[in-house]
Amino acid sequence: GAGVSQSPSNKVTEKGKDVELRCDPISGHTALYWYRQSLGQGLEFLIYFQGNSAPDKSGLPSDRFSAERTGGSVSTLTIQRTQQEDSAVYLCASSLRSPGLAGAHEQYFGPGTRLTVT
Amino acid sequence: GNSVTQMEGPVTLSEEAFLTINCTYTATGYPSLFWYVQYPGEGLQLLLKATKADDKGSNKGFEATYRKETTSFHLEKGSVQVSDSAVYFCALSANDYKLSFGAGTTVTVRA
Repeated sequence: GAGVSQSPSNKVTEKGKDVELRCDPISGHTALYWYRQSLGQGLEFLIYFQGNSAPDKSGLPSDRFSAERTGGSVSTLTIQRTQQEDSAVYLCASSLRSPGLAGAHEQYFGPGTRLTVT
Repeated sequence: GNSVTQMEGPVTLSEEAFLTINCTYTATGYPSLFWYVQYPGEGLQLLLKATKADDKGSNKGFEATYRKETTSFHLEKGSVQVSDSAVYFCALSANDYKLSFGAGTTVTVRA
């Protein structure tokens, strides 16, 4: 079946502009995650959605970052007033079941969106 | 907090050589452990996993054993191929479900 998809695959934006990154998880997956992969920081957790529960936003680096998940499926990560240090590959992942169940932690990743802030 | 430490690369090997990438972790509770691989130009893929102590994960000739006593999850392959050239990430997921990754190890296999 279809995997996790993300769009756009590449985004170049000027410093100070807002950007929106989209993620379509695997159909039926209830959990959705955003991570960031950058040269200086490696792979970092950003935010986690599980069903209708309040999202875990503990990894968001600043209040310029926000995310939403509509209808329990598609998610959008928004970065306002982009800065050069926001340049990174933004990865989305989804998983099938809730934490605490056997095999629950296996996450499937999308191809990522490469964001370049000039 | 949770953290993963893996050996730094880059690692360059000849085909059919033995590969080991060391990974140790610090975590509260009883984490699940993973190795993810990122081939050139591709996204992260799950290579193998282990969910409890002494479990051995295996896939594509790679193996890793969950060692609780040494808090380790070293990745091994007995005979690498050029197609194994990639970046390998060790990761854990504890009770807080988010993945914590190591820094990644770049492996290059020469023909």
